[in-house]
Amino acid sequence: DVKVTQSSRYLVKRTGEKVFLECVQDMDHENMFWYRQDPGLGLRLIYFSYDVKMKEKGDIPEGYSVSREKKERFSLILESASTNQTSMYLCASGRGAYGNTIYFGEGSWLTVV
Amino acid sequence: AQTVTQSQPEMSVQEAETVTLSCTYDTSENNYYLFWYKQPPSRQMILVIRQEAYKQQNATENRFSVNFQKAAKSFSLKISDSQLGDTAMYFCAFMKAAGNKLTFGGGTRVLVKP
Repeated sequence: DVKVTQSSRYLVKRTGEKVFLECVQDMDHENMFWYRQDPGLGLRLIYFSYDVKMKEKGDIPEGYSVSREKKERFSLILESASTNQTSMYLCASGRGAYGNTIYFGEGSWLTVV
Repeated sequence: AQTVTQSQPEMSVQEAETVTLSCTYDTSENNYYLFWYKQPPSRQMILVIRQEAYKQQNATENRFSVNFQKAAKSFSLKISDSQLGDTAMYFCAFMKAAGNKLTFGGGTRVLVKP
């Protein structure tokens, strides 16, 4: 079974803190994604990576950055957390195009106070 | 840019009955894929069903089936013989044929009542 593991399920951080969300996949997928999930808005893509050290902005990249130093690991970084970044963050991975399945982690609940 | 719309925020259904979730999308692409994902209360999203736009036949996976209307840009999900374990958020999603990113709708929360 494909496994996408997010290291932290629940985090509480203070405004202005730097926050790291880590994600690891075990299926040698080229593509990895970070989505943000908010009620009524569904999932919105923050960033994705199609190879090591390669990244592309998604729909809502402002306030976030990412790092992919190894193929299996994709990190989301909040340089200076703000209360409007309180949300559920979902990591995902998958192979290339043509409708291949994208697999999701269990999510990380981030609360910024 | 693609957009995906799910017009029903919440639906409830009695166990063993059938429920249909709506999804419409907007795209200028001719070839693409459509998906329904399920997110149970435990939060891990799982793929329910996939439809390739160039296939006219509607996809079916056990109790889950879709009604794909390409001209109308509509992609509804029917859950037959609903079970308590079907209680979840359901997301409709779009992917370009040569793309690798999913665009999601806002989700529909389904509650199956005993």
